[in-house]
Amino acid sequence: ETGVTQTPRHLVMGMTNKKSLKCEQHLGHNAMYWYKQSAKKPLELMFVYSLEERVENNSVPSRFSPECPNSSHLFLHLHTLQPEDSALYLCASSQDGVAAGGQTDTQYFGPGTRLTVL
Amino acid sequence: GENVEQHPSTLSVQEGDSAVIKCTYSDSASNYFPWYKQELGKRPQLIIDIRSNVGEKKDQRIAVTLNKTAKHFSLHITETQPEDSAVYFCAASKVGGGADGLTFGKGTHLIIQP
Repeated sequence: ETGVTQTPRHLVMGMTNKKSLKCEQHLGHNAMYWYKQSAKKPLELMFVYSLEERVENNSVPSRFSPECPNSSHLFLHLHTLQPEDSALYLCASSQDGVAAGGQTDTQYFGPGTRLTVL
Repeated sequence: GENVEQHPSTLSVQEGDSAVIKCTYSDSASNYFPWYKQELGKRPQLIIDIRSNVGEKKDQRIAVTLNKTAKHFSLHITETQPEDSAVYFCAASKVGGGADGLTFGKGTHLIIQP
């Protein structure tokens, strides 16, 4: 349960605020992901990082800006969000097998940050 | 891109009975299919996964079957227990091209009636 941690767990922000979500993984993985989970919609992939390089950006608005300073940490910087951005933001990590010469392994999720935009 | 459809959205079964959740996917290149269980207020947790080189995988009361030709896969839970109540998500991805994000189904709310 403590392999992937996220802070803060809850965040309320106004549309003009700037805030950051933080994710840390203690599993020795080399790939990290951001997902958005809204009510009545499936989990949506936002960003993928492998070996600290962004490998996928799923047409996410520029008001969401990811940062991966090292293989253990992932940030999601938020600015000028809209009320419809309110959701649970989940971080996940896995071992990128291709980089290590094998198959991509299971993704493990953090507990999420419940974001409310007023 | 990949599209994953999941049915039913809600499933209510009597304790001790079996539950089956079905998913279809659109991209024939997808080759990795995990199932996650998410209890209220908690993170999704992997319960079982299957890769396209096998047709069935079992772990105690949980089994997953895959039909690559028809592009569908199913989760089977036997002898259901109250603690099985949760939302279950299927997902698909292409393994082998670097780190791959998962495309999820919309989820099935499984309710175990005592």
